[in-house]
Amino acid sequence: GAVVSQHPSWVICKSGTSVKIECRSLDFQATTMFWYRQFPKQSLMLMATSNEGSKATYEQGVEKDKFLINHASLTLSTLTVTSAHPEDSSFYICSAHQGIQETQYFGPGTRLLVL
Amino acid sequence: AQTVTQSQPEMSVQEAETVTLSCTYDTSESDYYLFWYKQPPSRQMILVIRQEAYKQQNATENRFSVNFQKAAKSFSLKISDSQLGDAAMYFCAAPSGGGADGLTFGKGTHLIIQP
Repeated sequence: GAVVSQHPSWVICKSGTSVKIECRSLDFQATTMFWYRQFPKQSLMLMATSNEGSKATYEQGVEKDKFLINHASLTLSTLTVTSAHPEDSSFYICSAHQGIQETQYFGPGTRLLVL
Repeated sequence: AQTVTQSQPEMSVQEAETVTLSCTYDTSESDYYLFWYKQPPSRQMILVIRQEAYKQQNATENRFSVNFQKAAKSFSLKISDSQLGDAAMYFCAAPSGGGADGLTFGKGTHLIIQP
C-alpha cells in the first residue's frame, strides 16, 4: 500500500514553454501533498504544500506564479512550471501525506531538462 | 525544523557489520514525527523508519533501529547485518514547522557497503 505515482518521469522542453507534472496517490486519499526539488548531489528542498480544495502554500523564495499547483481531488496534485528556463532544470519529487500513519510517501520523481 | 544536520557525508561498512548514521535537528514543536528515508540510484525515496517523538521507546524495523534522544534532539539510525542492497543515500527528515507537515531534510549520508 501507500503507492504514489508521478507522470511524466522524464521531460525535455524548450525555454519559454510550460510543463505540467502530475502526482497521484494510487491506493489512499491524500488531502495534503507536497512538492520538493532536488538538485544533483543535493538534498530535497520543500517547495510547496498542496491542499485539496484550497490554495497551495509556498515556501519562502519559491515563486508561486512560476510554479502553479492545483490539487483538484484527493488523489491528484499537479505542478506546472510556467515559462520554463534552463535554471528550472531539476528533479521534482512529490509526496502524499498518509494521515493514519502520519507519513509522507514519495513518487518516483520527474527529471526536467529545459533547453 | 529549522535545520537538520547529518554530519557524515559518507560512511563505509563491511557487509554483515553494523553501522550508525547520525542526525540532529532543531524544532520548536513538542509533538512530531521523525523519519529516515533511503534514496538508491533510481532516486525513489523509500521510507526506512519513523519515530514518534512522544514515544520514549526507540523504533525498530527488522535490521533498522533508531536511537532517539529527544532532549538532545538527536535521531541516529543503526543498520545491523549490513547488506549490499543497503547501499544508498540516507536522509534524515523532521517536520519543517509553521503548521504544515512538509519535511526538512538533512544533506544526506552516502552509505557504501564493502563486500
